[in-house]
Amino acid sequence: GQQVMQIPQYQHVQEGEDFTTYCNSSTTLSNIQWYKQRPGGHPVFLIQLVKSGEVKKQKRLTFQFGEAKKNSSLHITATQTTDVGTYFCAGNYKLSFGAGTTVTVRA
Amino acid sequence: NAGVTQTPKFRILKIGQSMTLQCAQDMNHNYMYWYRQDPGMGLKLIYYSVGAGITDKGEVPNGYNVSRSTTEDFPLRLELAAPSQTSVYFCASSYFRGTGETSYEQYFGPGTRLTVT
Repeated sequence: GQQVMQIPQYQHVQEGEDFTTYCNSSTTLSNIQWYKQRPGGHPVFLIQLVKSGEVKKQKRLTFQFGEAKKNSSLHITATQTTDVGTYFCAGNYKLSFGAGTTVTVRA
Repeated sequence: NAGVTQTPKFRILKIGQSMTLQCAQDMNHNYMYWYRQDPGMGLKLIYYSVGAGITDKGEVPNGYNVSRSTTEDFPLRLELAAPSQTSVYFCASSYFRGTGETSYEQYFGPGTRLTVT
């Protein structure tokens, strides 16, 4: 079955630094979505990517869908304490979620 | 709109007991989902529904049952609870148009934290 892997599992970031988290699928995806879950909260939709090579930005967050539609990345610039949480990628409509990247920020 | 609501927020069950987790949405979404999230893990799909009267299994359906008699409600039934079912359960919904550019955005409820001892 479809498997979505995310790396790294944990990301400890100094406030103000940049980081990237990666999502890799064993199969080609028709679409990929990114969600953020704050500690103790529920996943909240961030963005959806559909087209090969697509790049979308939301303020300090940049999302990219690979040319082969089997991988994706989320890049955060100038990390802030509000970025703390777990970022999940999920593929296709019966969302196969990766295990997520849990981000902590050192002030 | 309340969005997706789930009850109860917390529950402790004894092994072998049964219970129903309630989920309701008021967004007229056709698709609804049940996930479980174990500590430090991602979400695993238990069951989903593409419309009233239609349900299908996800990755981890064993030990659970669902029904969808209305668009709004999608209860999850646990029969004979086991410690392995200790988890946080999330219900979600989405609107799938089927034509044109479709958003698969899922709206999640606040979750039910279930402990089986």
